[in-house]
Amino acid sequence: EIVMTQSPATLSVAPGERVTLSCRASQSIGSNSVWYQQKPGQAPRLLIYGASTRATGIPARFSGSGSGTEFTLTISSLQSEDFALYYCQHFNIWPPNQTFGQGTKVEIK
Amino acid sequence: EVQLVESGGGLVQPGRSLRLSCAASGFTFDEYAMHWVRQAPGKGLEWVSGITWNSGNIGYADSVKGRFTISRDNAKNSLYLQMNSLRPEDTALYYCVKDITGGGSSPFDYWGQGTLVTVSS
Repeated sequence: EIVMTQSPATLSVAPGERVTLSCRASQSIGSNSVWYQQKPGQAPRLLIYGASTRATGIPARFSGSGSGTEFTLTISSLQSEDFALYYCQHFNIWPPNQTFGQGTKVEIK
Repeated sequence: EVQLVESGGGLVQPGRSLRLSCAASGFTFDEYAMHWVRQAPGKGLEWVSGITWNSGNIGYADSVKGRFTISRDNAKNSLYLQMNSLRPEDTALYYCVKDITGGGSSPFDYWGQGTLVTVSS
């Protein structure tokens, strides 16, 4: 079973700053990583898949990178609407059991 | 516009059963795998169960195996989750989730708003 570990648990950031979230897989998953954003009271939203492909409608300030075991989600200039929880996930496995990281909360500094 | 609307949640006593439904619209339902993902209050995301486009492959999290049954009716554009022998630790918001492909091992591109299941005496 592959474990996804996100760091840090919480990130305090000022609007306009650049933010980098990390996700580490316990073994190589190639480029099979995904990032979701979840705002309070809302369902998660797909941001990035295949490590670096933005989902439909996702602003260009969101970018993903990495391969193997290390993945990052970068927000180039944090907007007020970006304060949220972010989850990474690995895919290309059936069944997709235990595939989510524990989440990183991006809060206002 | 893709829409996933869950229903069937509620308060139930431990050991009892509940059946969740998800009505899908805005896409060709029978081409995509579907999943249930849950989120306990204040906790992270947990994949619960998934089913491929033609019901050929079905999977469950270890925590629900033997108690929950996923099914779909492609003619009705609907996904279901039969939950038996419910436990307090099953208390969560249950999301109906669409897979990007029919195979079931791909990212999840659309999520419903969830239906709350509370297991308590």
